[in-house]
Amino acid sequence: QVQLQESGPGLVKPSETLSLTCTVSGGSISTGDYFWSWIRQPPGKGLEWIGSVYFTGNTYNNPSLESRVALSVDTSKNQFSLNLKSVTAADTAVYFCARTFGVNYFDYWGLGTLVPVSS
Amino acid sequence: SSELTQDPDVSVALGQTVRITCQGDSLRNYYASWYQQRPGQAPVLVIYGKNNRPSGIPDRFSGSRSGSTASLTITGAQAEDEADYYCNSRDSSGNHVVFGGGTKLTVL
Repeated sequence: QVQLQESGPGLVKPSETLSLTCTVSGGSISTGDYFWSWIRQPPGKGLEWIGSVYFTGNTYNNPSLESRVALSVDTSKNQFSLNLKSVTAADTAVYFCARTFGVNYFDYWGLGTLVPVSS
Repeated sequence: SSELTQDPDVSVALGQTVRITCQGDSLRNYYASWYQQRPGQAPVLVIYGKNNRPSGIPDRFSGSRSGSTASLTITGAQAEDEADYYCNSRDSSGNHVVFGGGTKLTVL
């Protein structure tokens, strides 16, 4: 059973960089069929795709966030990461990591982590 | 703004059938996937592809597509089906992922 777990700081200040890591267990991140993705959900609002990374490092990002987003993968640790720079209060959200079949559907999700952006 | 449009609120009587829809031009070329999200929990995939259910999803959940509209049908809704439902697919370019705005399902 594949499991994903987000980790990172509980609070980020405006203008700083939000950094999160997702640790995958129960399966290899290097499995060729899958991308590894970040999705976020502001409090009381809907889901927003941030971006997806392949184990080779190839990425697809949401055009509305692309200038601020960097995704990376560490196959030796079975982890992938999100860096979102120059954050504002509008970036306050629950951030989920998920396994993605192709760039299609998300079949396994982490529990999510709330990241407030506040001074 | 989302390229996929969902009705914000839908209600159904217990045991009845309900259809939740998702509209978008990209759905003419790509299938929608559907997710159930209960309060405080992560989304759960319930339908993907043409009409596929992951292991553990009850067979009362089914998916379909007609033109630019994808539908999630729950046949014989149960109290535990009360949740938010989101569709997702690719955008018009085919290179990015989009989510619908979500539908809150109330089981009466």
